[in-house]
Amino acid sequence: GAGVSQTPSNKVTEKGKYVELRCDPISGHTALYWYRQSLGQGPEFLIYFQGTGAADDSGLPNDRFFAVRPEGSVSTLKIQRTERGDSAVYLCASSLSIGNNEQFFGPGTRLTVL
Amino acid sequence: AQSVTQLDSQVPVFEEAPVELRCNYSSSVSVYLFWYVQYPNQGLQLLLKYLSGSTLVKGINGFEAEFNKSQTSFHLRKPSVHISDTAEYFCAPPNKLIFGAGTRLAVHP
Repeated sequence: GAGVSQTPSNKVTEKGKYVELRCDPISGHTALYWYRQSLGQGPEFLIYFQGTGAADDSGLPNDRFFAVRPEGSVSTLKIQRTERGDSAVYLCASSLSIGNNEQFFGPGTRLTVL
Repeated sequence: AQSVTQLDSQVPVFEEAPVELRCNYSSSVSVYLFWYVQYPNQGLQLLLKYLSGSTLVKGINGFEAEFNKSQTSFHLRKPSVHISDTAEYFCAPPNKLIFGAGTRLAVHP
């Protein structure tokens, strides 16, 4: 079966622009997670969903970042007024449910803000 | 809350040598731990996990880890590494997967 997919694989934008990053989880997985990984660093937790609701958004760095998962499947991470410091690889993962289940990661979206 | 510390940022090793990547945890509740691997330019994948039961856990690609409650450790080991094991390794608790900086394993010929 298909794994977690993320689109686009690469996104280059200019400072101040708005971007949307999409994540398609594994079918049937109710939990979905977003992380951000900067060069040479481990992934940094941003937000996770159980179904349609954000169970924990404590990792979102500020109010320019927002994520939705309206039908409990696909999720979109939205970044307003992008800054150069937002440049990173954005990773999405899904699992059967929250708890001690393995998370399956997508390949990531590399965001570059010029 | 549960947290982990990976003591080594980089571990260089020669091919076919044994390797140990260290992970220590701190927790006041039941402990569950994962090791993930990230190969160059690839996404993270699960290497192995400890949830309960046997303290010696075997994973993919010949790796294993031993959960040691007295030493609060979950070190990752492989008796003989290959060039293809060169990657970033992360120890993490489940749920939010609070990652540390990871350990970069560099296998040299």
